[in-house]
Amino acid sequence: SAVISQKPSRDICQRGTSLTIQCQVDSQVTMMFWYRQQPGQSLTLIATANQGSEATYESGFVIDKFPISRPNLTFSTLTVSNMSPEDSSIYLCSVPGAGTYEQYFGPGTRLTVT
Amino acid sequence: GDSVTQMEGPVTLSEEAFLTINCTYTATGYPSLFWYVQYPGEGLQLLLKATKADDKGSNKGFEATYRKETTSFHLEKGSVQVSDSAVYFCALLSGASKIIFGSGTRLSIRP
Repeated sequence: SAVISQKPSRDICQRGTSLTIQCQVDSQVTMMFWYRQQPGQSLTLIATANQGSEATYESGFVIDKFPISRPNLTFSTLTVSNMSPEDSSIYLCSVPGAGTYEQYFGPGTRLTVT
Repeated sequence: GDSVTQMEGPVTLSEEAFLTINCTYTATGYPSLFWYVQYPGEGLQLLLKATKADDKGSNKGFEATYRKETTSFHLEKGSVQVSDSAVYFCALLSGASKIIFGSGTRLSIRP
């Protein structure tokens, strides 16, 4: 299994500002995923980040709002831009398991926008 | 598109009670199915999985059987403990790598 860390673990931000969330994996992976879990809700995939190419966004999510970087095979960042209270959520990154069809999740970043 | 529907919570049981959390799915073909668990204050963890029809996934006393006839993957445990209190998510693998989650079921176990 992969060990995934995220920074920050939580933050409280002002409306209109941006926050960059980091995701670090202890092994090299081709694909990394970013999810959002709104309060009391399930997880929704934001985008898939492949190293060396632009991220692929799911319906309802756009690059201008959630820019993603993937500079190498062990690291990715997700920026939540021009935040509003509706962006208050837990943001999680995940990576696929090797040949097992499952995904491993980071501990999440709890974001509160005031 | 692919989707997962699971039993709404919250579910409250007494310790040693039998647990069932229902999960059904809609998908093209026969996707891999999962149960994930989120303990209070912790990250999401894979609880068990099944990759083909009639497979039974099991872990920590929990079981779920992949039923293609009923497109279901119900989670069961014969005797729950207080430490099982958590939110449980049913999920499926859509395509090569996208996981689609159900809405989650919050389980609380009374001592």
